[in-house]
Amino acid sequence: EDQVTQSPEALRLQEGESSSLNCSYTVSGLRGLFWYRQDPGKGPEFLFTLYSAGEEKEKERLKATLTKKESFLHITAPKPEDSATYLCAVQANFGDYKLSFGAGTTVTVRA
Amino acid sequence: NAGVTQTPKFRILKIGQSMTLQCTQDMNHNYMYWYRQDPGMGLKLIYYSVGAGITDKGEVPNGYNVSRSTTEDFPLRLELAAPSQTSVYFCASRWGAFESTEAFFGQGTRLTVV
Repeated sequence: EDQVTQSPEALRLQEGESSSLNCSYTVSGLRGLFWYRQDPGKGPEFLFTLYSAGEEKEKERLKATLTKKESFLHITAPKPEDSATYLCAVQANFGDYKLSFGAGTTVTVRA
Repeated sequence: NAGVTQTPKFRILKIGQSMTLQCTQDMNHNYMYWYRQDPGMGLKLIYYSVGAGITDKGEVPNGYNVSRSTTEDFPLRLELAAPSQTSVYFCASRWGAFESTEAFFGQGTRLTVV
C-alpha cells in the first residue's frame, strides 16, 4: 500500500526565515509526486509535479526537489501570504489511478 | 471555465438521513475522485472513476455510494448518515490517461451529522 508521510506537522516561521518541508513516500513505483497548497476553507491548489529523482521545480519562493525516497519543498524568504497547509501526494506506477495524500504541513509565517 | 463545482457548501444532517453531494466538472476530464478530509488526517480517498460508467472503491468507501453516468458529473451518496461521516468532502478531477497529470479540486462540502 502506498504511504506518504509529511513532516513537520506544523511550522512557524518569521518573515524571511527560509525552511524546508519533507515528504517521505513508499510506493511500488513512482509515476508522479505532487505538491499542493491549501488555504483554510478552500480546496487544494496545485503547485508542482515531479516525476523522477533529481528533478527540481520552482515557483516564486517555492522550490520542490525529489529523491528516490522523499521530496522537499523549500520556502525561501517566506512572506505572510505563504501561510497555508502544504500537501504532498503520490501516484504509483502504471495502472494505478489513485492519488495518495500525506497529512500536510501547516506553515504560518509571521510578519 | 468553472473548473470543479461542488454543491452544497455546507450541510447539517441528522443521524440516519440520506443526501447526495453533487460534483460537476467542465474540463472534459476522464478521472474523478471523492476525498474526505478530517483534521490532521489528510485526504482519504472514498471512491474514484476513470470514465463514465466505471467506478471503484478507495480507502474508505463504507457508507458511501457513487455513480458516473456522464463525463461531467460524479455524485456521492450517503445513505444512512452517521456521526463518523462528519467531515469536509472534496471532489477532484484530472485528465489522466498515460500521463500523471495534476488534479483540480472543488471548494469542498462541509458536512456535519448530528
